[in-house]
Amino acid sequence: QSALTQPASVSGSPGQSITISCTGTSSDIGVYGYVSWYQQHPGKGPKLIIYNISNRPSGVSNRFSGSKSGNTASLTISGLQAEDEADYYCSSYTTSSTVLFGGGTKLTVL
Amino acid sequence: QVQLQESGPGLVKPSQTLSLTCNVSGGSINRGGYYWSWIRQHPGKGLEWIGHIYYGGSTYYNPSLKSRLTMSVEMSKNQFSLKLTSVTAADTAVYYCARTYGSYYFDFWGQGILVTVSS
Repeated sequence: QSALTQPASVSGSPGQSITISCTGTSSDIGVYGYVSWYQQHPGKGPKLIIYNISNRPSGVSNRFSGSKSGNTASLTISGLQAEDEADYYCSSYTTSSTVLFGGGTKLTVL
Repeated sequence: QVQLQESGPGLVKPSQTLSLTCNVSGGSINRGGYYWSWIRQHPGKGLEWIGHIYYGGSTYYNPSLKSRLTMSVEMSKNQFSLKLTSVTAADTAVYYCARTYGSYYFDFWGQGILVTVSS
């Protein structure tokens, strides 16, 4: 099973919005609503920021939003802040009852 | 607030078995609806799902690791464990344990433990 496909890097200026894509197949993202997103700062463990495509856990800023179309999920961060600079990973449940992660996207706030 | 903490040796020799334990506090490991997972991250690389286990013992493993992998739950200690046999340098990574809602997303994570495979 191959990893989900994410861009290696994205960047934006403070206050702007950015979108990170996550492309899978009809055996994972395309068939289930179980896409999640994680934020990881350097030297830290990952933190759940979006689950089930578009839901935010308690305490996560509403500047983070998620969506899905076909085999591609997306994470949008609006009103970029310096603290958003981190690595972001998508994840999906699959028809093989396994879990796939994306390769990760490094977000740089300019 | 659920908290997870990994423990185990930080150095394992090639061909030996890597054994890690995750201690869960702030919540019961036998709470229905949750699986307990292991995820690893090779140095400078992305996340890789290793597998997860339900308190009743059912397991789901990454097919690429399945032949070397065993997970178990110790309910009396509120812990779960990972054993990975015949390790090589390719198994050097930070290993995280995490609580998993259903099999679908990881809502609480441990801080991670670096395991180096080297003679």
